[in-house]
Amino acid sequence: AQSVTQPDIHITVSEGASLELRCNYSYGATPYLFWYVQSPGQGLQLLLKYFSGDTLVQGIKGFEAEFKRSQSSFNLRKPSVHWSDAAEYFCAVGAGTGFQKLVFGTGTRLLVSP
Amino acid sequence: GAVVSQHPSRVICKSGTSVKIECRSLDFQATTMFWYRQFPKQSLMLMATSNEGSKATYEQGVEKDKFLINHASLTLSTLTVTSAHPEDSSFYICSARWTGGGTGELFFGEGSRLTVL
Repeated sequence: AQSVTQPDIHITVSEGASLELRCNYSYGATPYLFWYVQSPGQGLQLLLKYFSGDTLVQGIKGFEAEFKRSQSSFNLRKPSVHWSDAAEYFCAVGAGTGFQKLVFGTGTRLLVSP
Repeated sequence: GAVVSQHPSRVICKSGTSVKIECRSLDFQATTMFWYRQFPKQSLMLMATSNEGSKATYEQGVEKDKFLINHASLTLSTLTVTSAHPEDSSFYICSARWTGGGTGELFFGEGSRLTVL
């Protein structure tokens, strides 16, 4: 069965510092991988996705993620964090026919300090 | 991008009553919508897949008689929590697949927070 692990529950980063959020997945075939961001009390917004091709994926808001098959990882990065980036971040793997179902990780809450 | 809207965003009800949550795709047609449940500080758990014109497909452990899903049109799916109890209090989020542009991207609604007293 598909699963996603986000080992960090909370991360605090100083504004302007770089960020890396970890994500490991378990999936038998080539995965479809996603990163979503959720602000408090809000729905989810897609940051970026990986289907195939270039393993370094660029997303919105200056985020990028790198797919590493050998490590079963899809870590999210940003070179310089802004206070508005404080939110909950979810990694997900697409499952089922046409990857219609998403299996989410438990999320990582990003706190940004001044 | 495509927009998915949920209503109401917040609802408080008494134990034993039923509550209906609507999920609408505002500018596209969605043959399939998904309903998720999110407990505080936890991840989203898929409850069911809502198929236009047919019965919903429920995930294991989800009571279909308690969480009634109706996908009556290509732009509307409803989730009815029947005989709600405090343990049903949660954040319910729907999503719909947008096939325009070939990306098949899922768009999520803003979520509906249900509080059962």
